[in-house]
Amino acid sequence: KAGVTQTPRYLIKTRGQQVTLSCSPISGHRSVSWYQQTPGQGLQFLFEYFSETQRNKGNFPGRFSGRQFSNSRSEMNVSTLELGDSALYLCASSRGLAGGKETQYFGPGTRLLVL
Amino acid sequence: AQSVSQHNHHVILSEAASLELGCNYSYGGTVNLFWYVQYPGQHLQLLLKYFSGDPLVKGIKGFEAEFIKSKFSFNLRKPSVQWSDTAEYFCAVTTDNNAGNMLTFGGGTRLMVKP
Repeated sequence: KAGVTQTPRYLIKTRGQQVTLSCSPISGHRSVSWYQQTPGQGLQFLFEYFSETQRNKGNFPGRFSGRQFSNSRSEMNVSTLELGDSALYLCASSRGLAGGKETQYFGPGTRLLVL
Repeated sequence: AQSVSQHNHHVILSEAASLELGCNYSYGGTVNLFWYVQYPGQHLQLLLKYFSGDPLVKGIKGFEAEFIKSKFSFNLRKPSVQWSDTAEYFCAVTTDNNAGNMLTFGGGTRLMVKP
């Protein structure tokens, strides 16, 4: 079974631009979560989508948004990029059962550099 | 809100030494506990998890962890480390206060095993 895939793997943008990252979950998984990983803040939860609806949201500004399509693929968008948005963005998928008892399977991440 | 602390940021061991990495969480309700590992250049992957029952859980590659509810701890152990255990280790929790799979991570512990 193919794992979680993320595209692109690397991205360089300049301040003020916007960026869209894509995540394809494991086949059959309906939940997709996004995390930001930085050396200073560690791994932080951005949001979770399940059946095309945002089910959970972390403490990030409104510049960070996402969506999920009917095939469970998800995109994350960051508008008006700031230098501090430079990070590794990880996507994780699971079947989506409620209660937090599932293993989440992580993708390789998209490394974003904002200049 | 819940939080997770990993007190050891960097650990250096020689091969065959025993390992114990600390993890404490802050949350008054029911938690589900996870240890994830990130080998150099690889995806985050699950080592082990605890939901209920026997507080001593065994994971992959000889790792185990013990849930001590009175201490809000979930320490990771391995009796004899190998050079291939060099990686970053993350403790994480989900809680019963949200419907989905929001993982709250600790800051991570970088383990280096000297051959």
